[in-house]
Amino acid sequence: QQQVKQSPQSLIVQKGGISIINCAYENTAFDYFPWYQQFPGKGPALLIAIRPDVSEKKEGRFTISFNKSAKQFSLHIMDSQPGDSATYFCAASRTGGSRLTFGEGTQLTVNP
Amino acid sequence: DAGVTQSPTHLIKTRGQQVTLRCSPKSGHDTVSWYQQALGQGPQFIFQYYEEEERQRGNFPDRFSGHQFPNYSSELNVNALLLGDSALYLCASSSLAGNTDTQYFGPGTRLTVL
Repeated sequence: QQQVKQSPQSLIVQKGGISIINCAYENTAFDYFPWYQQFPGKGPALLIAIRPDVSEKKEGRFTISFNKSAKQFSLHIMDSQPGDSATYFCAASRTGGSRLTFGEGTQLTVNP
Repeated sequence: DAGVTQSPTHLIKTRGQQVTLRCSPKSGHDTVSWYQQALGQGPQFIFQYYEEEERQRGNFPDRFSGHQFPNYSSELNVNALLLGDSALYLCASSSLAGNTDTQYFGPGTRLTVL
C-alpha cells in the first residue's frame, strides 16, 4: 500500500511540445504529492507540489493535475525545452513531515 | 542562504568496512531525512531524525544507523558494507516545527563499495 507507480519510464519530446508523466498511488492516507527534477550527479530539486483539496496547480510551464477518486496525478510540462531534459520523480507522503515514497522515475529527453 | 550540504561528495570503500556520511540541513530546518538511491531508481527512505531522535525508519537493516546533533546536522553510518550498498545517499531537510511537508535535498554522497 506504500507504492507509487510512475509511467512512462522514458519519454522523448520535441522542443515546444508537451511532456506528460503519470503517477498512481495506493495509500489513501497520502495527502501531499510533490514532483522532483533530477539532473545527473545532482540531488532531486522540488518542482511543484499539490494537495488533494485542489484538482490542478500551475507554476509557470509546469502543471499538476490531480484525480483523487482515481488516485492518480500527473505532471504536464508545456513548451518543453532541451534544458528540461532530466529525470522526473513523483512522490507522495502524509501530512506531518512524513517520509516521501517515490515513483520509479521518468527520463525525459527534449530534442532541439 | 545555504541549502542542504553533504560530505563527502564521493567515497570508495571495500566490503566489510564502515562508512560515515554527513549532512547539514538548510538554515531554519530542524528535521533531516536520509534516502538511498540506487542507479536508475527512485530514492528509498532510510530514516528521519527530529530533536535528535529517530522519528521514522524505512525497511533497512540495523547496519544502517544515524545520529542528529543539537545544531540539527546529521550523520548516517553504515556498518559491514555490502556491494549492494553502492548508491547515491541523499539527505533532505525540512521543518517539522514550521509545519511544512516540503523536503529539500542535498547533492548526495556517491558511495562505491568494491
